[in-house]
Amino acid sequence: KQEVTQIPAALSVPEGENLVLNCSFTDSAIYNLQWFRQDPGKGLTSLLLIQSSQREQTSGRLNASLDKSSGRSTLYIAASQPGDSATYLCAVSSSGNQFYFGTGTSLTVIP
Amino acid sequence: DAMVIQNPRYQVTQFGKPVTLSCSQTLNHNVMYWYQQKSSQAPKLLFHYYDKDFNNEADTPDNFQSRRPNTSFCFLDIRSPGLGDAAMYLCATSRDSASNEQFFGPGTRLTVL
Repeated sequence: KQEVTQIPAALSVPEGENLVLNCSFTDSAIYNLQWFRQDPGKGLTSLLLIQSSQREQTSGRLNASLDKSSGRSTLYIAASQPGDSATYLCAVSSSGNQFYFGTGTSLTVIP
Repeated sequence: DAMVIQNPRYQVTQFGKPVTLSCSQTLNHNVMYWYQQKSSQAPKLLFHYYDKDFNNEADTPDNFQSRRPNTSFCFLDIRSPGLGDAAMYLCATSRDSASNEQFFGPGTRLTVL
């Protein structure tokens, strides 16, 4: 069974810093990897989707990379802002409409 | 705006009293999912519908049932809620298959007294 791990579980950075969040998965037979943001008590907001054939995706200050062979993805956030404070989750999809989530990284950006 | 809508946002029920959570979507997606998320844990897939085909996860308790009367709506029924069922319930959609992007609703926070 696919297992998804996110490290670190929590991260605190001063405003303006660039940062990297990590996601690893055990089974490289995936269709895609998706990064989400979750604010406290809210649903998940999709940030980036990387198909298995792609290496990276960019949206504004966010850049996500995928190395399927090593089972790793990173989410790079440039010039962090207090509004970026949230929990970031990654999820991988596989056959049979299966999605597996990590437990997330809780990010705090200090003004 | 096209979106995934969940009602109610907050639901309080009593131990053993049946409860139904609702999800609707204006995206016209074929696949709808229900997840359970407990505090500080990853969302856990309960089941999904591909069109009218129901797919139950192996470890989803029988206490949880689902209905999808049409493309737009999907319901989660908890027949006899226990204290351990208190959680955030998230509905999501995707256009066709796991290769497509998932879109989530705002969730329903269930409290069991």
